[in-house]
Amino acid sequence: AQKITQTQPGMFVQEKEAVTLDCTYDTSDQSYGLFWYKQPSSGEMIFLIYQGSYDEQNATEGRYSLNFQKARKSANLVISASQLGDSAMYFCAMREPSSGSARQLTFGSGTQLTVLP
Amino acid sequence: NAGVTQTPKFQVLKTGQSMTLQCAQDMNHEYMSWYRQDPGMGLRLIHYSVGAGITDQGEVPNGYNVSRSTTEDFPLRLLSAAPSQTSVYFCASSYSAYQETQYFGPGTRLLVL
Repeated sequence: AQKITQTQPGMFVQEKEAVTLDCTYDTSDQSYGLFWYKQPSSGEMIFLIYQGSYDEQNATEGRYSLNFQKARKSANLVISASQLGDSAMYFCAMREPSSGSARQLTFGSGTQLTVLP
Repeated sequence: NAGVTQTPKFQVLKTGQSMTLQCAQDMNHEYMSWYRQDPGMGLRLIHYSVGAGITDQGEVPNGYNVSRSTTEDFPLRLLSAAPSQTSVYFCASSYSAYQETQYFGPGTRLLVL
């Protein structure tokens, strides 16, 4: 079974509008971490935001916020006021203690976001 | 700090050749790992290390070896390159199990003919 599911292969958003990128996850652990990374066309992986499973508040980092709904096992990324530079591939990832690789990340397949002028 | 560095940035190999992808970090991070990224897929873990002298397999370890003789370096060796190993390879590191993020290197693009 997929651990991390990103159902939107591609998304378009108008500049200055908000956009939500979906991510659902599957784990039986009580303690886990959820991450979003950005990969621009240049190829590097850029950490955006982190949410711990016990965090009561949704994480926010500038224009990025994570809409964490634990019961639904979803961790959607919300980008407010989109900019042309936000055009990139976005990956959702999870770190769970019980995985054989302990503290390593499991990634979704990504969502390609294109911001239109 | 240079962060996580990887060399080379790009490499072309012939089937059957061997090579080593270099990864180094100057942040005194305990955890290091190698991922590969293929089109239409997220990153998949190849091998990881929780400290000098300690390594373990990830999701897709076949065809790759690693070693961790120092905290700073974590090279990935391709024993006998195959076209299926054409991919982009990322090295990542983090200070501890409880640090919320891994820091990624810029990646190595490998083409196996």
